[in-house]
Amino acid sequence: SQTIHQWPATLVQPVGSPLSLECTVEGTSNPNLYWYRQAAGRGLQLLFYSVGIGQISSEVPQNLSASRPQDRQFILSSKKLLLSDSGFYLCAWSLGQGQAEAFFGQGTRLTVV
Amino acid sequence: KQEVTQIPAALSVPEGENLVLNCSFTDSAIYNLQWFRQDPGKGLTSLLLIQSSQREQTSGRLNASLDKSSGRSTLYIAASQPGDSATYLCAVGSISSGSARQLTFGSGTQLTVLP
Repeated sequence: SQTIHQWPATLVQPVGSPLSLECTVEGTSNPNLYWYRQAAGRGLQLLFYSVGIGQISSEVPQNLSASRPQDRQFILSSKKLLLSDSGFYLCAWSLGQGQAEAFFGQGTRLTVV
Repeated sequence: KQEVTQIPAALSVPEGENLVLNCSFTDSAIYNLQWFRQDPGKGLTSLLLIQSSQREQTSGRLNASLDKSSGRSTLYIAASQPGDSATYLCAVGSISSGSARQLTFGSGTQLTVLP
């Protein structure tokens, strides 16, 4: 069966520090991978998605970047965090181009102080 | 641009009641619609997936319907239980410019089932 792992679960970082969040998927090959952010009181916003190794698309301009060094690994990074980067970050995966169900990780609560 | 709205934002019901959560979307050119449950501080758990060619899906006490032409979906929960208390999110699936499936989420309905 497929599983998705996200870590860390919580993170408190000072403004200006770097960030690296990691997501891995097990039990499937060539998944589509996604990073979403959920800000307090707001819906989920798609940040990045990837259809293959090294292929990253960004949906919104921001202080963050994403990388996919391996087929089932998706990393969310920042060189210098801003206060506005605080939020709940969720990684997700799906198969195929259209009709497949999406599955989410347990999320990372990031607080920038 | 797809916009998804969920009504009500919050709902409190006594245990045992049947209830309906509503979701509406502005662009009917969708691939599918997915309902999720989110417990406080946790990730999303997929409840039901309805393809654009389908009208409804059922899983246990849950039934989701889709009317693509009117841009509406409902999630029906029968015989609600305190364990059903959570935030329920509706997400509409479409294809982004990079041909990967993109989900557009509503803001959710926070459900509280009182014992």
